[in-house]
Amino acid sequence: QQQVKQSPQSLIVQKGGISIINCAYENTAFDYFPWYQQFPGKGPALLIAIRPDVSEKKEGRFTISFNKSAKQFSLHIMDSQPGDSATYFCAASKGGSQGNLIFGKGTKLSVKP
Amino acid sequence: DAGVTQSPTHLIKTRGQHVTLRCSPISGHKSVSWYQQVLGQGPQFIFQYYEKEERGRGNFPDRFSARQFPNYSSELNVNALLLGDSALYLCASSFSSGLGSGYTFGSGTRLTVV
Repeated sequence: QQQVKQSPQSLIVQKGGISIINCAYENTAFDYFPWYQQFPGKGPALLIAIRPDVSEKKEGRFTISFNKSAKQFSLHIMDSQPGDSATYFCAASKGGSQGNLIFGKGTKLSVKP
Repeated sequence: DAGVTQSPTHLIKTRGQHVTLRCSPISGHKSVSWYQQVLGQGPQFIFQYYEKEERGRGNFPDRFSARQFPNYSSELNVNALLLGDSALYLCASSFSSGLGSGYTFGSGTRLTVV
C-alpha cells in the first residue's frame, strides 16, 4: 500500500511558468510534510516543509499548499527556471521532522528555456 | 562545514557477497538514518539510530543490519547480496533535539550487484 501518492510522474514547464506537483496521503497520523529536490548523482535536499496546522507556507519561489480535510498537499514553483530541472519528492512522517520519512515516487521536472 | 559524507561512492559486488557502507553525519548531529533508493523511485526507510540505539526499522529483511558508533558515525551492512539490492543507499543525519530542522542527506553510495 502506497502511503504517499505523487503526481505527475513527469512535468515540462516553460521558463517563467508555474510548476505544480501534487501529493496525497492516507495516514492521518502524519504530522510533517517536507519536499525534497534531487539532482542526478546527489542525495535529496530539503526544500521546504509544512505541518498540518498551517494551510500554506512560502519560501522564496517555493510554496506548499496543504489541505488537511482532503489529505493533500502540493508544491508550487513560481517563475520556474532551467536550474530548477530536477526530481522532486514529497514525503510525510509521524513524529515531526525527526520521524521516519515516507516518500512519494517522485516527479521529474524539466524547465525549458 | 562538511555535510553528510558517505563512503564508498560506488561499489560493485557479486551475488552472495557481503557489503559495508559507511556514513559520517554532520558535526553535532546525533541521529543517523539509512534509506534505499531504487532507480526511478523515492527513497525507502531502512534504519534510524540515535545515540547508538536503534530507533526505527523499515520493512527490510534481516540481511540488512546497521550500527552507530560513539562518534555518531554509522555503518550499514548487507549480507548475502541479491541482484535486487542494487540501489543508491542514502544516509541522512539530523540534530534530533526536537527543534525540527529535518534531515540532511549525503550523496549516497551506488551499489551494483552482479
